[in-house]
Amino acid sequence: EAGVTQFPSHSVIEKGQTVTLRCDPISGHDNLYWYRRVMGKEIKFLLHFVKESKQDESGMPNNRFLAERTGGTYSTLKVQPAELEDSGVYFCASSQDRLLLGTDTQYFGPGTRLTVL
Amino acid sequence: QKEVEQNSGPLSVPEGAIASLNCTYSDRGSQSFFWYRQYSGKSPELIMSIYSNGDKEDGRFTAQLNKASQYVSLLIRDSQPSDSATYLCAVPSWGKLQFGAGTQVVVTP
Repeated sequence: EAGVTQFPSHSVIEKGQTVTLRCDPISGHDNLYWYRRVMGKEIKFLLHFVKESKQDESGMPNNRFLAERTGGTYSTLKVQPAELEDSGVYFCASSQDRLLLGTDTQYFGPGTRLTVL
Repeated sequence: QKEVEQNSGPLSVPEGAIASLNCTYSDRGSQSFFWYRQYSGKSPELIMSIYSNGDKEDGRFTAQLNKASQYVSLLIRDSQPSDSATYLCAVPSWGKLQFGAGTQVVVTP
């Protein structure tokens, strides 16, 4: 079974440009999460999809970030326009059932390393 | 106060020794706890989960939970160079994981 995949693995852009990150969850997983780790900090939650619906987007930093999951399969995270502080590693994770009692596992992708110059 | 706190390390452990990693959390209502291992440049990988007070053993790994003290730990017995990685403590909160900053473990031959 294929794991969570993310594309690209690395992206270097200039401040003010637009970047779109893609995540393909494990097939059949309804839950898709985006997380981010900036240099020296812990991994932080960005948002959670259940199928195509945004369940929780409380971690999104600001309106320069737009996440979509059309059709409930893969997801994209667009940053427009990118700022220096957006640099970091963006992780995607998926799980089969909602993590209510901690009985479900979130499987992480390899991450996209974003560098904004 | 951070929701999940860990010592960042690095924790240097001789090969064959026991590595002891600690994690404290702030939400008294938390019911489940996870330990992820992350090799440099790779994705976090779940290695242990624990839900009840006490110890849970899986191979060379033992997770210990004390809800009264809001403390969870991970022991790695017979540490191997392949255990060198960053270990992340994670606590779910309404469907999302809250992570500690991670403890870097370095196993020296």
